[in-house]
Formats: sequence, C-alpha cells, structure tokens
Amino acid sequence: QSALTQPRSVSGSPGQSVTISCTGTRSDVGGYNYVSWFQQHPGKAPKLLMYHVTQRPSGVPDRFSGSKSGNTASLTISGLQAEDEADYYCSSHAGSNIVVLFGGGTKLTVL
Amino acid sequence: QVQLQESGPGLVKPSETLSLTCSVSGYSVSSGYYWGCIRQSPGMGLEWIGSVHHSGSSYYNPSLKSRVTMSLDTSQNLFYLTLSSVTAADTAVYYCVRVEAAAGMNSFDPWGQGTLVTVSS
Repeated sequence: QSALTQPRSVSGSPGQSVTISCTGTRSDVGGYNYVSWFQQHPGKAPKLLMYHVTQRPSGVPDRFSGSKSGNTASLTISGLQAEDEADYYCSSHAGSNIVVLFGGGTKLTVL
Repeated sequence: QVQLQESGPGLVKPSETLSLTCSVSGYSVSSGYYWGCIRQSPGMGLEWIGSVHHSGSSYYNPSLKSRVTMSLDTSQNLFYLTLSSVTAADTAVYYCVRVEAAAGMNSFDPWGQGTLVTVSS
C-alpha cells in the first residue's frame, strides 16, 4: 500500500480556519471509518488529535474537527492560534490484514 | 497517567539487529490494549512498524514483516521490538505507543518521547 496523500503545507492567519486533506483509496480511507490525525511540534512526539474520523480525545479543543467524504478525509482547525503551528499527519486502517498507513504530513504555518 | 519510555542502542552497525525496549508505567500491558512501534526517519514522515497484544496477536507492516518481531513481557510491564538486517534506511526516531484496537488499530495514544537509532559502521 502507498502512503496517504496530504498537501505539503498550508497556512492561515490567527482566527481563520484551515483544512488539511488526506486522500487515499477505497481500500483504506474510503473503506473504513478509521481515520486518525496527529499533531507534531518540532522535536516532540506526535499527539493524537482525532480518531474514528470525527472523535476527539479528551483534552483536544473543539476547534479541531474531522470529516470524511469518499476517499478523502479532512481535518479542519478553526480559530487558528499560534500554538497550532505544527506538522499534521493523517492515518488510516487499510485492509483486513490490519495494515496502518500514514500520510506524508502537512506543515501548518500560522502567519 | 500512562507513560511509555523507549530505550535503544543509539547506534547499530549495518546488517546487525536493532533491539528496542518500551517500558510502560501507569497501565498494565496485559490489560486489553495493543502496544505498538512507529518510526520517523530524519526530516521525514511516520511509518507504522507493528502492534502486539498480550494474547499473542500481532500485526506488522508488510514492508518490514520479514525483519520484525515484537513481544511483550507482562512480568516487567514492557514490550520489545527487534528489527534484523538493518541498513542506513532504518535510521530513525523510534516511538512506542499504546494502540486502541476498537478504533481501527491506528488510534495511537499516548506516545513515548522517542529514541534515535542510527545505523552506521
């Protein structure tokens, strides 16, 4: 399986909203409601932001939301804050043999 | 709260075996979750290596499956990763994670801080 496709970078100003896409196939993103998103600040370990496409772990602000349409999942960050500047990775379950795919990552810049 | 801590060799010679230990505190590795490893090559993205359960069930990345073994030590509350026949391409930060199976096996939370393993002679 190939990695999921994410834009290499996105940007937005404080207070604005940005959306990061994650495109796969019907064998992964499109076939299962098992998309997760992770946030990684420089030099830090990734942190789980979203699972089951739309579910936020405890402690994740509701400014972060997830969705999916067909083979593409999306992470939307509203009310951008400077602290949101980070790399974001999507992940999907892929197949009955339990394979996990990651996207290549998207760098979010808060202008 | 649950915490994971990786310990690794730092430097491994090409063709040798990489061994990583993941120590778990605040939760028993025999209590229902899977436990996994993920790596990140310098400046690159994330790559899932595999996940293992105390029942003996395990799943590995097909691209690494022939070289990977993961196991649990419930008496010491830790789990292990071994990766054989390493090359420079295996140089990466290796992370230990807890895995929620009910969420598709890709809900990784929490993560250890990561440990850099460099493959070089």
